[in-house]
Amino acid sequence: QKEVEQNSGPLSVPEGAIASLNCTYSDRGSQSFFWYRQYSGKSPELIMFIYSNGDKEDGRFTAQLNKASQYVSLLIRDSQPSDSATYLCAVRDTGTASKLTFGTGTRLQVTL
Amino acid sequence: EPEVTQTPSHQVTQMGQEVILRCVPISNHLYFYWYRQILGQKVEFLVSFYNNEISEKSEIFDDQFSVERPDGSNFTLKIRSTKLEDSAMYFCASSLAGTTNEKLFFGSGTQLSVL
Repeated sequence: QKEVEQNSGPLSVPEGAIASLNCTYSDRGSQSFFWYRQYSGKSPELIMFIYSNGDKEDGRFTAQLNKASQYVSLLIRDSQPSDSATYLCAVRDTGTASKLTFGTGTRLQVTL
Repeated sequence: EPEVTQTPSHQVTQMGQEVILRCVPISNHLYFYWYRQILGQKVEFLVSFYNNEISEKSEIFDDQFSVERPDGSNFTLKIRSTKLEDSAMYFCASSLAGTTNEKLFFGSGTQLSVL
């Protein structure tokens, strides 16, 4: 059973701070990694993806991947109240049309 | 920006009834998926579909479930005889290709309530 683990939170950070969200996965064969943001009652919205070890930056978001440690993280710089949501880590296997396996998500609260 | 659309947004049904959830994937996408999320739980994979065939399905996707692409635009999920535990948010997703690195885009979901 492939697992994706996240701390459910809530993670509370003040406005303007850096939020750090972490995810570990069990399957060493996993190839690609995605971060989705989900507001309450809404669908997952893709915000970042990473395939190679190291860092990938996109605006205020940085994804970090360490395949040796089976660890992926998301940093949100200059956190805003609108960033308050649940952040889902998803891992994809090799293979065509392979499924995404999601973690339970980390709830982020950005306080004023 | 192109998006995946789902109808209806809410569906209430009686236990044992059949329901059909509808999705219109992004127009040039070729791979289609259904996921579900029970309230307070993780998003779970149900099925993937390509070239009019199921590519992969999960243990959840038993004989009560079926998928179909009846025309060039719609992708449907049918639950033949609903159970209370089928109550969940059902998300359709699509991707341009089926490669590992390909991004999935999700629709806004159908909230299914089985009474």
